[in-house]
Amino acid sequence: QVQLQESGPGLVKSSETLALSCTVSGGSIKSHYWSWIRQPPGKGLEWIGYFHYSGSTKYNPSLQSRVTISGDTSKNQFSLRLNSVTAADTAVYYCARHFGLYAYYYGLDVWGQGTAVTVSS
Amino acid sequence: DIVLTQSPGTLSLSPGERATLSCRASQSLSNNYLAWYQQKPGQAPRLLTYDASTRATGIPDRFSGSASGTNFTLTISRLEPEDFAVYYCQQFDNSPFTFGGGTKVEIK
Repeated sequence: QVQLQESGPGLVKSSETLALSCTVSGGSIKSHYWSWIRQPPGKGLEWIGYFHYSGSTKYNPSLQSRVTISGDTSKNQFSLRLNSVTAADTAVYYCARHFGLYAYYYGLDVWGQGTAVTVSS
Repeated sequence: DIVLTQSPGTLSLSPGERATLSCRASQSLSNNYLAWYQQKPGQAPRLLTYDASTRATGIPDRFSGSASGTNFTLTISRLEPEDFAVYYCQQFDNSPFTFGGGTKVEIK
């Protein structure tokens, strides 16, 4: 059974870089697309972007200038970097797997538990 | 960006009743690549349906999705106590893969 676990600092200073990792266990990151999603406190979900081990990435244009998603097949991990953070980036950050082999359009079927990140001034 | 508008914002129903949740897309989803999720407090979302109407693995058959043009519907035929939660739709036809604002199904 595939499981995802986010890790990274829970507190980031304003203007600095938020860096999170997602470790995949029970499966390989080579077989699916992988996404990051965030949810500000008390609000809805926002898709940040996806990664495929082939090197393919796609980002939400609202964040594109500040975000990088990459992967490390040797560690079976993928990571999120978000530069120049502000209080508006305070949220629970989730990593998730796209359902379906080699496809990204069937929905997100496996999610990490989420990690709360607060941006402080 | 494709905007997904969910309605109503809150649905107050009793266990055993039927719930009908709406998700309207601002433009046509040519492939009907739309998914529905359930989220409970403090938990990650759970995939319910994809391709507008295909139930995900392990999802009870009281959950069903349908599509008509730019209108998508999630129906819960008979609400169980564990179904009271927030529901989101998400489209995968075009990047960015936008979510709707959510519908909260609460106990009346």
